[in-house]
Amino acid sequence: QLQLQESGPGLVKPSETLSLTCTVSGGSISSSSYYWGWIRQPPGKGLEWIGSIYYSGSTYYNPSLKSRVTISVDTSKNQFSLKLSSVTAADTAVYYCARRRGDGDWPDWGQGTLVTVSS
Amino acid sequence: QPVLTQPTSLSASPGASARLTCTLRSGINLGSYRIFWYQQKPESPPRYLLSYYSDSSKHQGSGVPSRFSGSKDASSNAGILVISGLQSEDEADYYCMIWHSSAWVFGGGTKLTVL
Repeated sequence: QLQLQESGPGLVKPSETLSLTCTVSGGSISSSSYYWGWIRQPPGKGLEWIGSIYYSGSTYYNPSLKSRVTISVDTSKNQFSLKLSSVTAADTAVYYCARRRGDGDWPDWGQGTLVTVSS
Repeated sequence: QPVLTQPTSLSASPGASARLTCTLRSGINLGSYRIFWYQQKPESPPRYLLSYYSDSSKHQGSGVPSRFSGSKDASSNAGILVISGLQSEDEADYYCMIWHSSAWVFGGGTKLTVL
């Protein structure tokens, strides 16, 4: 059974870079059938898609965050990562990594990790 | 105006049906979009329920009961999620999603209370 696990610092200072990694187990990140992505949810608020990556390394990002986001993949470690630069308090959220099928649905999610931006 | 608008809250009784709407912004043609629906319970990640494009192109998530169904209402330019035979366990937040302008866009979510 596929499992996704987010990891990274739970506290980031304003203006710094948020870095998270998603480790995939029970399946290969190199599968041609899926995309991988990051979605976040500020406390008490709705969901926001951040961006997605294919195992080949091709990426696409939310236009509203594109200038600050980098998503990368490490197939040797079965991981993909998120970097979000110049963070502010508005970036405080639970960050989820997830797997997307080619049809567009996201059936598999990590449990999420809370990242707080504060000095 | 947001791309997708959902009512903030909805209440319904056990055993009844709940109709959740996801209205696309004026000028966005409902017929061109597949609508995805997710359920989220407190302290849990979203769960994919289903997607709906047309009666001949729809998908039910793995393990999702058939009492969850999707449709479209062209007259209101809205995607619809119907939950029939409501159970207490259906109490949750529900989000719709589409692929629009090169981004996955979520609605603001509807909190469904079963009482």
